[in-house]
Amino acid sequence: GAVVSQHPSRVICKSGTSVKIECRSLDFQATTMFWYRQFPKQSLMLMATSNEGSKATYEQGVEKDKFLINHASLTLSTLTVTSAHPEDSSFYICSAGQTGGGFRGYTFGSGTRLTVV
Amino acid sequence: QQQVKQSPQSLIVQKGGISIINCAYENTAFDYFPWYQQFPGKGPALLIAIRPDVSEKKEGRFTISFNKSAKQFSLHIMDSQPGDSATYFCAASMKSTGNQFYFGTGTSLTVIP
Repeated sequence: GAVVSQHPSRVICKSGTSVKIECRSLDFQATTMFWYRQFPKQSLMLMATSNEGSKATYEQGVEKDKFLINHASLTLSTLTVTSAHPEDSSFYICSAGQTGGGFRGYTFGSGTRLTVV
Repeated sequence: QQQVKQSPQSLIVQKGGISIINCAYENTAFDYFPWYQQFPGKGPALLIAIRPDVSEKKEGRFTISFNKSAKQFSLHIMDSQPGDSATYFCAASMKSTGNQFYFGTGTSLTVIP
């Protein structure tokens, strides 16, 4: 089955520094990947849609300069939280879907717990 | 605006019982309805999904019931087990928005031994 690897699973960083989160589709190619943020006991909030070879599409209210998304290949998308602040502490999750053969849903990564101190 | 409404927010079921979680939607353009299971500190994992041309789909102990006219769908977990204790999310998507998922608010299920 489709596997999405997300790394790191946990990261603690100092306020003002940047953190990069990687999302890889291990056994399939993904033209589109999605990045979500999830607060405790809440649903997933879509942050942006990452398209291979083009600029990401950000949801309303998400700062594109703060949350940099790069989708350089069909198997890798990265989310960089720049100049992180404590309020950026959250659980970040990516998802990817297989291209071709009709839509079959998305596979989610295992998530990254970001703590900014 | 919440595209997909989910209830209940939390649910406690005895081991062996049936867990039922409900979702409702408004947009008739939705064409794919998955259910995801999420354990604490993990990403959601696909449980089961259905398309609107089918009224029911069963996979093991998990069944989706789909009522197109009422714009509702539900997840039934038969013979619920303590290991089923998790948060469950319904979602809906449609081709016209690039198959972007619209998630429900989630249901925290606790199965008591």
